[in-house]
Amino acid sequence: QVQLVQSGAELKKPGSSVKVSCRASGGTLNKFTISWVRQAPGQGLEWMGRIIRIFGISNYAQKFQGRVTITADESTSTAYMELSGLRYEDTAVYYCARDASDYMDVWGEGTTVIVSS
Amino acid sequence: QAVLTQPASLSASPGASASLTCTLRSGIDVGPYKIFWYQKKPGSPPRYLLKYKSDSDKQLGSGVSSRFSGSKDPSANAGILLISGLQSEDEGDYYCMIWHSSAVVFGGGTKLTVL
Repeated sequence: QVQLVQSGAELKKPGSSVKVSCRASGGTLNKFTISWVRQAPGQGLEWMGRIIRIFGISNYAQKFQGRVTITADESTSTAYMELSGLRYEDTAVYYCARDASDYMDVWGEGTTVIVSS
Repeated sequence: QAVLTQPASLSASPGASASLTCTLRSGIDVGPYKIFWYQKKPGSPPRYLLKYKSDSDKQLGSGVSSRFSGSKDPSANAGILLISGLQSEDEGDYYCMIWHSSAVVFGGGTKLTVL
């Protein structure tokens, strides 16, 4: 059973960028779509976007258009989410998840990103 | 107005049933949509529970108890997650989700307390 292993916690300054990785362990991501979802403290789940591997394209939630880039490296079976122009309200736990047709069935453990001056 | 609206909280007793609603915004008809449900507990990633479009188009997640089921209330334009035989382990936050305009939309979540 594939597991998704995410990179460690990050502390970033406002205006900077963060890049979170999501590596498949015990399997491959190469055929799958990977979504990124975040949860700010005390808030709900928020979908940021996804990379559709079979087509090699990404699509993003309107809220994050222009600030988020989701990519993938087939050779290392790793997906990445980069968020730029960080704001205090971007402080959250960021999750990657594998899309199984139309739902997210396997999730990473989450990466905490704290934006603080 | 949010696309998906969920009650902020719900309390129920052990052994009872809980019905969690997910109301679609006016103008968005629940009929054609698959409603997905996730469970979220502190410190853990979300867990996929099930999806429901109709009685002939539904799926329970792998390893998910049959105590969880989905339905719709067309008159309320809502999707419903029913949890029967409530157990203490069912406490947590529950999120509904749909695909809308090629994007995932989550509801605000319902905090379920079993007491």
